[in-house]
Amino acid sequence: LAKTTQPISMDSYEGQEVNITCSHNNIATNDYITWYQQFPSQGPRFIIQGYKTKVTNEVASLFIPADRKSSTLSLPRVSLSDTAVYYCLVGDYGAPPFNKFYFGSGTKLNVKP
Amino acid sequence: ETGVTQSPTHLIKTRGQQVTLRCSSQSGHNTVSWYQQALGQGPQFIFQYYREEENGRGNFPPRFSGLQFPNYSSELNVNALELDDSALYLCASSPTALKRDEQYFGPGTRLTVT
Repeated sequence: LAKTTQPISMDSYEGQEVNITCSHNNIATNDYITWYQQFPSQGPRFIIQGYKTKVTNEVASLFIPADRKSSTLSLPRVSLSDTAVYYCLVGDYGAPPFNKFYFGSGTKLNVKP
Repeated sequence: ETGVTQSPTHLIKTRGQQVTLRCSSQSGHNTVSWYQQALGQGPQFIFQYYREEENGRGNFPPRFSGLQFPNYSSELNVNALELDDSALYLCASSPTALKRDEQYFGPGTRLTVT
């Protein structure tokens, strides 16, 4: 079963690049890696998803090494509004009815002025 | 496009009671997943429904059950409530049950068991 491990918290300053790494040693061949952002009292919100190598969208980049046992979310030039909890999600996809999803414990990112 | 909605927003129940939480999926989505999020922890997967059938289940006891209706809305039922069931319950819908599908989360229902 694919499970994930993340740092509990990180501090950064406005304008800096932030990299958050997630470990998923038991990831299966068919699993995708997805990152979500969550603000207090809200549901998680999709940031980015990837399978291998590098993926970039308008808000973040996702780096996945060849062995896929970890992934790194990169947030360029963070602002105060990026203060949130960031989760790495790996799916365990089997033939129905065996879909399962594993969120990590999350990384609390605190952006300071 | 209407997003995922959940009701009620907050709920207080007594140990041993039963509770039903409701979720309306985003328009065009046929898959709904439910998660339990205890304070300070990540969401824990309860189960997923795809076209009215259970499509996967996490490590939750049978007293956690669900339904999905023809319009793809969903219910989460919890029987014999325990104090540890106090949590934020999140519903997420996705266009299909494919592994690459993004999940769209609702705001959650905060359940307090006393």
